[in-house]
Order: sequence, then C-alpha cells, then structure tokens
Amino acid sequence: GQQLNQSPQSMFIQEGEDVSMNCTSSSIFNTWLWYKQEPGEGPVLLIALYKAGELTSNGRLTAQFGITRKDSFLNISASIPSDVGIYFCAGRRNTGGFKTIFGAGTRLFVKA
Amino acid sequence: DAGVIQSPRHEVTEMGQEVTLRCKPISGHDYLFWYRQTMMRGLELLIYFNNNVPIDDSGMPEDRFSAKMPNASFSTLKIQPSEPRDSAVYFCASSARQGGAGELFFGEGSRLTVL
Repeated sequence: GQQLNQSPQSMFIQEGEDVSMNCTSSSIFNTWLWYKQEPGEGPVLLIALYKAGELTSNGRLTAQFGITRKDSFLNISASIPSDVGIYFCAGRRNTGGFKTIFGAGTRLFVKA
Repeated sequence: DAGVIQSPRHEVTEMGQEVTLRCKPISGHDYLFWYRQTMMRGLELLIYFNNNVPIDDSGMPEDRFSAKMPNASFSTLKIQPSEPRDSAVYFCASSARQGGAGELFFGEGSRLTVL
C-alpha cells in the first residue's frame, strides 16, 4: 500500500537553530500537508501544498511540494521552545476519494 | 465554531469488554475519518465516510472493529470484544471538500487502555 517515509524520526536542537525534515513516497500525491501535534492534542494543520514545485511559508515555517510529486520538506527557522512537538507529513491523491496517509512523524525537542 | 468533539477522552476497560467511541464532526463537513495512533504504527487510517457512507474501510484491523455514521453529526467506532493490543489513541477528523481544499480537522482523541 501507499507509504510515506518521514525523516528524521527525532531531532534534538538548540533554541535559535534551523530545522529541516522531509517526506518521500514511492507514489505520486496531489496534495502534501504538514501537521503538528502537541501532547494530548490532535494534529493541527500547518501548511498545505497543492502544486508540484510550490513553496509556501507560514511565519517561520516553509514547506515545498517536490517537483516529482513524490516528496516534500518542511523547514523551521530560528526555532523556539514552543516548536516542540511531533510534525507529520501527509499525502493525498485526488482520485479514489479523500484518503489521507500520514508519515510516522518527526519528534522535535528544543532546548532553551 | 466548535471543533471536532470526541468522547470519552479516556477509557480504561478490561479485555473482552465492548468499547464505543463517539465523534461529532464540524457542522457542514461531509467527510469523517477515524485514525488510530500508536508509537509503533503512527497514525493509521481505519475508515472514512463521505456524506455518511463508508468509502474505504480497508484499514479496519479485523471484524472486532466496526464504525457507523447514522447521520451527518454523529459517528461511532466500536470494538467488540476489546483486546490489550487495541490500546491506542483514536482520533476522529472531519473535512469539507468544498473550500479549504479539504484539510483534516482533528478532535482531541480518545485514549483507550485495554487491560
């Protein structure tokens, strides 16, 4: 079945550092989504990407939809302690309904 | 506007008991999803509905799991009989195809522990 390979699994960084994580797939997706989950909460959408090559920013977050439509990355600049959480990529194909597949997540730890 | 509402937030039960998890999607959303989250498997899609009709239940683990959506504002996920390996956080999410390009809005989850 469809699988998303997300890396790294976890990151331990110092406040102020930049962060980069990515997601790859053997299948093409029409939409790439990046979510953040904090303890005891459900995932919350950060950025949505709809076109190959699209580069979108949301504050200190920047995400890109890969040209091949099989990958995406998320960058966080100048990290702060409240960036701590689990970041998930998710992919969706427009055919066959709205089935959205999630990566395994990247656990981010930020040391003040 | 209220978000996706799930109940119970926490459930502890004994093996063999029936478990029912409930979800109220965001009003006007026509898609509803049930996900299961564990450390080992991450977020797994169990089943999703469109306009109250199940579209894809290929992620439902086995016959012990069933899901229903009797109307646009309510869905249940039932496990009968429950087993310790069913322990996980179960999330409900809803989405609207029209506008917003279909982002999923998640509830806060139901944490199930089966002893």
